[in-house]
Amino acid sequence: DADVTQTPRNRITKTGKRIMLECSQTKGHDRMYWYRQDPGLGLRLIYYSFDVKDINKGEISDGYSVSRQAQAKFSLSLESAIPNQTALYFCATSEIGGVGYTFGSGTRLTVV
Amino acid sequence: RKEVEQDPGPFNVPEGATVAFNCTYSNSASQSFFWYRQDCRKEPKLLMSVYSSGNEDGRFTAQLNRASQYISLLIRDSKLSDSATYLCAVFSGAGSYQLTFGKGTKLSVIP
Repeated sequence: DADVTQTPRNRITKTGKRIMLECSQTKGHDRMYWYRQDPGLGLRLIYYSFDVKDINKGEISDGYSVSRQAQAKFSLSLESAIPNQTALYFCATSEIGGVGYTFGSGTRLTVV
Repeated sequence: RKEVEQDPGPFNVPEGATVAFNCTYSNSASQSFFWYRQDCRKEPKLLMSVYSSGNEDGRFTAQLNRASQYISLLIRDSKLSDSATYLCAVFSGAGSYQLTFGKGTKLSVIP
C-alpha cells in the first residue's frame, strides 16, 4: 500500500456541488499539506496542518476548507465547487524537523 | 520577484548529453533546498537534497550558491528515462515552515 493515499483518484463534479477529497498516511508524519497544481502555475499550497489541532491557510485557501480528523487523515473540502477549481490536487506529508515531502498520487478534479 | 523561479523550458536534448537547470530564490534566509522529479500526471518525487558543499548521486549533481541565491541540477549522460519535469523546492524555515516550489523545468531526452 502507498504511504500517502488520496481518494478519489479522479472526480467530475458539477458547479455548486460540495466535494471532499481525502488523504490518509501510514508514515506517522505529523505534518500534512494540500496543494493544487495547474499547468503553468506550478504547485500552490492551499492549507497545511502541523498536528491534529493545528490548521493554517496557505497561498490560495479561498473556496476551500480542511479537516484534520486524526494524525493520519487530512481532508480537503470544496463547499461549492466552481470550474476554476478544476486542477490536480496533491496531499503531502513531512515529519517534524524534516523537510522532505512525500506526496500522494493526486486527485484529478474536474468541475463542469 | 517570485519566491522561487525556474526556466520552464522545454529543454530538448539528445541522449548522452549533459544538461543543467538553474533555480533562483528570493528569500536569503532560506535554509534547505531540494530537487523533485515529476513525471506527467504523477506526483512529485524527491530526487535529491542540495547541500552547501554540493552533492552528487550517480549522474546527478546538485549545487547551491547562497551568495547568488540559486541552486542548480546537472544531469550527465542523459537517458530517455530522465524525461520529466524537474521542480526545485526551497524551505524557508522560521515563519514559513513549508516548502515553496518552482513551476518546474520540462526536460525531454530525444533518441
